[in-house]
Amino acid sequence: KQEVTQIPAALSVPEGENLVLNCSFTDSAIYNLQWFRQDPGKGLTSLLLIQSSQREQTSGRLNASLDKSSGRSTLYIAASQPGDSATYLCAAQNSGNTPLVFGKGTRLSVIA
Amino acid sequence: EAGVVQSPRYKIIEKKQPVAFWCNPISGHNTLYWYLQNLGQGPELLIRYENEEAVDDSQLPKDRFSAERLKGVDSTLKIQPAELGDSAVYLCASSLGGASHEQYFGPGTRLTVT
Repeated sequence: KQEVTQIPAALSVPEGENLVLNCSFTDSAIYNLQWFRQDPGKGLTSLLLIQSSQREQTSGRLNASLDKSSGRSTLYIAASQPGDSATYLCAAQNSGNTPLVFGKGTRLSVIA
Repeated sequence: EAGVVQSPRYKIIEKKQPVAFWCNPISGHNTLYWYLQNLGQGPELLIRYENEEAVDDSQLPKDRFSAERLKGVDSTLKIQPAELGDSAVYLCASSLGGASHEQYFGPGTRLTVT
């Protein structure tokens, strides 16, 4: 059974700092991995989706990497801004017919 | 392009009462999901539809939960009767055909059972 862990559970950084959020999964035979952002009281916004054949995806200041052999993914945020404050969730999917398995998220606070 | 629409956004009911949530997915998205999210946790899948067919409902508590997607577009999730432990956020998501595409989430319905 796939299990997804995110560390740390919470992170506070000053504005402008580059930061890395970590996601680990127990079953390396994943189909894809997706990173989401969730603002308080809101739904999830998809940030990046990495297929199993890919090693990374980039969107603006965000870069997500995937290392299946070690069971890890990282989300890199460059030049953090207060507007980046939110909870970031990663989710792994083992095949096209299995559900996304989510971690509990990392709550990020970027201090101006 | 309109996103996934859910209603109501908030619902407060007494235990043992019924409640229903509605979801309208992104136009053209054949796959629809209902997730349950407890406070401080990631979402967990309740049911997945491919068009009007429920293809994965293994995590749906069928004694009190039911769902339907009659015309393969809108979907309704119902709880009857609600229990205190059902207090959570119910999220709807959709994706293009098949389960492997990027999922887009609605704002959710926050249910409080008193």
